[in-house]
Amino acid sequence: QKEVEQNSGPLSVPEGAIASLNCTYSDRGSQSFFWYRQYSGKSPELIMSIYSNGDKEDGRFTAQLNKASQYVSLLIRDSQPSDSATYLCAVINSSASKIIFGSGTRLSIRP
Amino acid sequence: SQTIHQWPATLVQPVGSPLSLECTVEGTSNPNLYWYRQAAGRGLQLLFYSVGIGQISSEVPQNLSASRPQDRQFILSSKKLLLSDSGFYLCACIRGPSNTGELFFGEGSRLTVL
Repeated sequence: QKEVEQNSGPLSVPEGAIASLNCTYSDRGSQSFFWYRQYSGKSPELIMSIYSNGDKEDGRFTAQLNKASQYVSLLIRDSQPSDSATYLCAVINSSASKIIFGSGTRLSIRP
Repeated sequence: SQTIHQWPATLVQPVGSPLSLECTVEGTSNPNLYWYRQAAGRGLQLLFYSVGIGQISSEVPQNLSASRPQDRQFILSSKKLLLSDSGFYLCACIRGPSNTGELFFGEGSRLTVL
């Protein structure tokens, strides 16, 4: 089992709709969770971090964490063409020694 | 604010040749530093991390090595490159003064081994 799993996509969403990206992790003791956006050929940039169960909202982005289910998600409201990118989920393991990334979900926003 | 410089940005190397990728960080002191590799169409694989000068932790057995000769300098090296070493190499540090685990990345070095 991979430590952090994401569907590779591509996920195609119409402009203006909600895009939902999902991530599961295997280390039950993980405490910190992150979403990064990576445009093609560029380095990742942090979008959201979440540390406790529930929802965290920042503009059009909402991160959701459920530690019991070992599941973290990212919702993007009012999707824009500029949101087309690969979204990487990252987790700090229980020993806090490593930041582990999923393989990413490619999101495409269609006009 | 933090800035990470990586060079070279792009390089093409033959199999068996040596490699040196450099990373320097500005705007922070005593940072935790990381080297990640991203193969084409794949996620980020942690290669090395360092919590201080001369302190290197290796995550994956391989023909690569890392060194941290100065507080804000992190170097990735190889004596003999393999085809499988091709990829996008990213240097990163923890964002901001508090260790929240949020990473800030450099612009990356794209390596093609032929």
